Amino acid sequence: GNSVTQMEGPVTLSEEAFLTINCTYTATGYPSLFWYVQYPGEGLQLLLKATKADDKGSNKGFEATYRKETTSFHLEKGSVQVSDSAVYFCALKGRGSFGNEKLTFGTGTRLTIIP
Amino acid sequence: GAGVSQSPRYKVAKRGQDVALRCDPISGHVSLFWYQQALGQGPEFLTYFQNEAQLDKSGLPSDRFFAERPEGSVSTLKIQRTQQEDSAVYLCASSFTNERYEQYFGPGTRLTVT
Repeated sequence: GNSVTQMEGPVTLSEEAFLTINCTYTATGYPSLFWYVQYPGEGLQLLLKATKADDKGSNKGFEATYRKETTSFHLEKGSVQVSDSAVYFCALKGRGSFGNEKLTFGTGTRLTIIP
Repeated sequence: GAGVSQSPRYKVAKRGQDVALRCDPISGHVSLFWYQQALGQGPEFLTYFQNEAQLDKSGLPSDRFFAERPEGSVSTLKIQRTQQEDSAVYLCASSFTNERYEQYFGPGTRLTVT
């Protein structure tokens, strides 16, 4: 079945540091890949997505590239801010007919940015 | 516009009680999903509806869990004879049909079984 493995946290960085959160996946076929973010006290929000190999998703300064050869979708940001403190989830969704639309999530990585 | 809403936001139940959790999806969204998120974990799929049809219930952990969406809009997740291991946040998400569309999540219901 499908699975997602992401870097364990917590991760603590200083403001303006470079961020990488690793994510690898196992799936049949050609899944779509996502990063969701959960800010304190809020619900899950889609941060970015990529639907096919070599696609790059980007939003709010975050980027992730769909790498089929390494089955990876690592999240990066060049200069983090205190407001980026949150829990980040990597997820995948299979293609095709009913039953493949569910999201499979990683365990989440808690990121704390200190001023 | 209004997002996905869930009620109650918090629920405390004594072991053995039945609970019902409600989800109001975004108007016009055909697909509806329920996920369970244990503390410190990622959400795990429970069940999926397209309109009123429950197309996938493979994630429901036991026959004590039951979900319905009788008119293709509001959905209810019912847990009978709650156990301590049912303590989790229950998330509802909705989307337009098919995999090309984003799932929008509600704030969740935090269930604590004592």
